[in-house]
Amino acid sequence: GAVVSQHPSWVICKSGTSVKIECRSLDFQATTMFWYRQFPKQSLMLMATSNEGSKATYEQGVEKDKFLINHASLTLSTLTVTSAHPEDSSFYICSAGDMRQPQHFGDGTRLSIL
Amino acid sequence: DQQVKQNSPSLSVQEGRISILNCDYTNSMFDYFLWYKKYPAEGPTFLISISSIKDKNEDGRFTVFLNKSAKHLSLHIVPSQPGDSAVYFCAASANAGGTSYGKLTFGQGTILTVHP
Repeated sequence: GAVVSQHPSWVICKSGTSVKIECRSLDFQATTMFWYRQFPKQSLMLMATSNEGSKATYEQGVEKDKFLINHASLTLSTLTVTSAHPEDSSFYICSAGDMRQPQHFGDGTRLSIL
Repeated sequence: DQQVKQNSPSLSVQEGRISILNCDYTNSMFDYFLWYKKYPAEGPTFLISISSIKDKNEDGRFTVFLNKSAKHLSLHIVPSQPGDSAVYFCAASANAGGTSYGKLTFGQGTILTVHP
């Protein structure tokens, strides 16, 4: 089946640094990738929709200058958390999809900001 | 505004019995529904989906039922196995032409525990 790879799986960094998370679709071309955030014991909340070659569409309340999304190819999207602070600590998950199959998810990135 | 709701935070079932997970939604524009299974520290794994033009879809031990008039869907797992123990999320998509191409709105999840 379709595989989505997300890297890194876990990152700890100091407050004020920027962190980049990669999401790759390994066996299909993902015209659209999605970025979610999950707080403990809560649902996945969509942050933004990323279409290859165009600007991402952010959900209400998500700061686009804080969470930079780049979707430069049909197999790679990146999320950069800029100037991260402890409140940005969370579980970030990407998904990839096209017109022919359900969205498939990466294994997520656990981000801890000290 | 929680457009997709899973009102049961947890469900405990004996091995071999049926597990029924429920999901309600409020947005009448949703036209595609999915169930995902999630283990801790992993991303959700797609299980089964259903388009709004159908009321039932079956795949092995998993069956999803959709009642559009009640805005309710359910996932039946039979027979349940200990390996089914995980968090189950229902998700919905609107205006996606019956596909999951559009963005997904997730419920809060139900923790299923299947006892041997």
